[in-house]
Amino acid sequence: QQQVKQSPQSLIVQKGGISIINCAYENTAFDYFPWYQQFPGKGPALLIAIRPDVSEKKEGRFTISFNKSAKQFSLHIMDSQPGDSATYFCAASSGGTSYGKLTFGQGTILTVHP
Amino acid sequence: DAGVIQSPRHEVTEMGQEVTLRCKPISGHDYLFWYRQTMMRGLELLIYFNNNVPIDDSGMPEDRFSAKMPNASFSTLKIQPSEPRDSAVYFCASGTGVTGELFFGEGSRLTVL
Repeated sequence: QQQVKQSPQSLIVQKGGISIINCAYENTAFDYFPWYQQFPGKGPALLIAIRPDVSEKKEGRFTISFNKSAKQFSLHIMDSQPGDSATYFCAASSGGTSYGKLTFGQGTILTVHP
Repeated sequence: DAGVIQSPRHEVTEMGQEVTLRCKPISGHDYLFWYRQTMMRGLELLIYFNNNVPIDDSGMPEDRFSAKMPNASFSTLKIQPSEPRDSAVYFCASGTGVTGELFFGEGSRLTVL
């Protein structure tokens, strides 16, 4: 019940295209859903996050779509750039003092070809 | 701010040896987390502290692992004795609990031969 399932494992997109990564969770106690971006040799860094009181959040080229009834959320990267090539992790936590107790998806390796 | 600082960045040791990983969180952050990353298990939480007090250590794999936070600016993760299956990248992260964001260090890559 603690799992967060992420797909696809890898994704190749042409420059200017749309990258879409999907995640699904089971634990209905989860109420905080961040996406982290990780470059080789670096730690993960927060990209964007959403709470279940909204269905969509946009920050620049990055958008999270959230479907509470389906227990799914996704990351859309518009106008993908070679600099976006990295590993992306979705995650979830139950908030409060457990906010940082994140359950991570397995990650998606994104490659954006110029 | 310099961010979360971890040391060493790389550690190669032999099975049975003691390993100590160190972390300096961002000043003012009252939460500190230790995560481990492997190809097989991905990113998993080992333990976290709030105001220097361990809150949840349910992710610590076994008694060979221990973590301390003697003050607000320093934490250690110790493995004694180390085993080859402990080989992984260990991340320290800190946060305030206000925004929900975790700030990760660059990690300590441990190889146990």
